Amino acid sequence: QVQLKESGPGLVQPSETLSLTCTVSGFSLTSYGVNWVRQPPGKGLEWMGTIWNDGSTDYNSALKSRLSISRDTSKSQVFLKMNSLQTEDTAIYLCAREAYYDDGTYRYFDYWGQGVMVTVSS
Amino acid sequence: DIQMTQSPSLLSASVGDRVTLSCKASQNIYKYLNWYQQKLGEAPKLLIYYTNSLQTGIPSRFSGSGSGTDYTLTISSLQPEDVATYFCQQYNSWNTFGAGTKLELK
Repeated sequence: QVQLKESGPGLVQPSETLSLTCTVSGFSLTSYGVNWVRQPPGKGLEWMGTIWNDGSTDYNSALKSRLSISRDTSKSQVFLKMNSLQTEDTAIYLCAREAYYDDGTYRYFDYWGQGVMVTVSS
Repeated sequence: DIQMTQSPSLLSASVGDRVTLSCKASQNIYKYLNWYQQKLGEAPKLLIYYTNSLQTGIPSRFSGSGSGTDYTLTISSLQPEDVATYFCQQYNSWNTFGAGTKLELK
């Protein structure tokens, strides 16, 4: 069955770089896109970026200068790197598979990981 | 960037009530709108895609409607297991989520 699982450090120092991994199973990264979404404690969801099945990427314009998403298809892993972290980057970070049908008419996040809590603090 | 405004932010209703949640986009999103349910401590779950298409396995008491800038999620008869926060998401231009409507039992 389809599964996604995030991993990474729970605590990051201010100004440092966050590195997270999303390990997927049950589908191929060459067939589906994967998104990163974050959720500050008690708040809403913020889309961060997408790596598409062809390896191309799209980023939230508010984060684009600090964010990089890449993948290793042989290991079924998607990576997030974000630099210059601040306290406001404290959040649960989730990865989600994107289903894309009918030339983009139907696009939705159909499977999600459980998320990893990242706290930015000294 | 397209902004999504959900209302109300908090809704209290009784079991069996018909419940309507609203999502308004800052510009026309041409029905490119999805709804998700998030229960406490869990990942979001897709309920409705492309405004009114019910995801497989989701109970038929959930339905979606709308066009242009205004969209609605309706629960025809509220059940205790529907207590959750509901998010809308537009994908007409990149992706934006609303801030959510928290649904609780009265």
